[in-house]
Amino acid sequence: NAGVTQTPKFRILKIGQSMTLQCTQDMNHNYMYWYRQDPGMGLKLIYYSVGAGITDKGEVPNGYNVSRSTTEDFPLRLELAAPSQTSVYFCASTYRDGYTEAFFGQGTRLTVV
Amino acid sequence: QQQVKQSPQSLIVQKGGISIINCAYENTAFDYFPWYQQFPGKGPALLIAIRPDVSEKKEGRFTISFNKSAKQFSLHIMDSQPGDSATYFCAAPNTGGGNKLTFGTGTQLKVEL
Repeated sequence: NAGVTQTPKFRILKIGQSMTLQCTQDMNHNYMYWYRQDPGMGLKLIYYSVGAGITDKGEVPNGYNVSRSTTEDFPLRLELAAPSQTSVYFCASTYRDGYTEAFFGQGTRLTVV
Repeated sequence: QQQVKQSPQSLIVQKGGISIINCAYENTAFDYFPWYQQFPGKGPALLIAIRPDVSEKKEGRFTISFNKSAKQFSLHIMDSQPGDSATYFCAAPNTGGGNKLTFGTGTQLKVEL
């Protein structure tokens, strides 16, 4: 059982470039989340989804977009990358709601230069 | 927006000692308070969680203590071991709804021999 898989693990982007961070889970979880982690700041929620076709903004959505066309996949799109988006990004999923165990991917370390 | 204050930011404990990490929250619409453990280069993983119709939950060397009137909860690690060296995050339900969690800023624990 792979759990939550994120790709790529590392990426360097130039300012203004775009990219998609991939996230897939094989646990048939309904809820999926994208967080960013900055030193000393904890985990900040970017976007989340409660099921295929349904997404909503989290605490720090500006500069990002998501889609959820299937239960398994929840890609995060960065448009016009900025240095402020340098961070470690984590995808997570839960079976029922936010009040059950969240399973996290290994993270994507993104540097914007 | 829920605020979760976590302290200390970093902690050094001798092997066999007790590690204590504290969190305070503002409000919650649902009583569910998890702690996540994160090793370098990995995603966070659920360590222990409490749904407090009780004031304490113990799993092995790890204990959550919960004080509802003070809106505080803490993680105690008894007989701390070098393998416990990691970053620990507390979390509380987000009052903005949507079954989301707000995470604390994290505590970097180092257990020395």
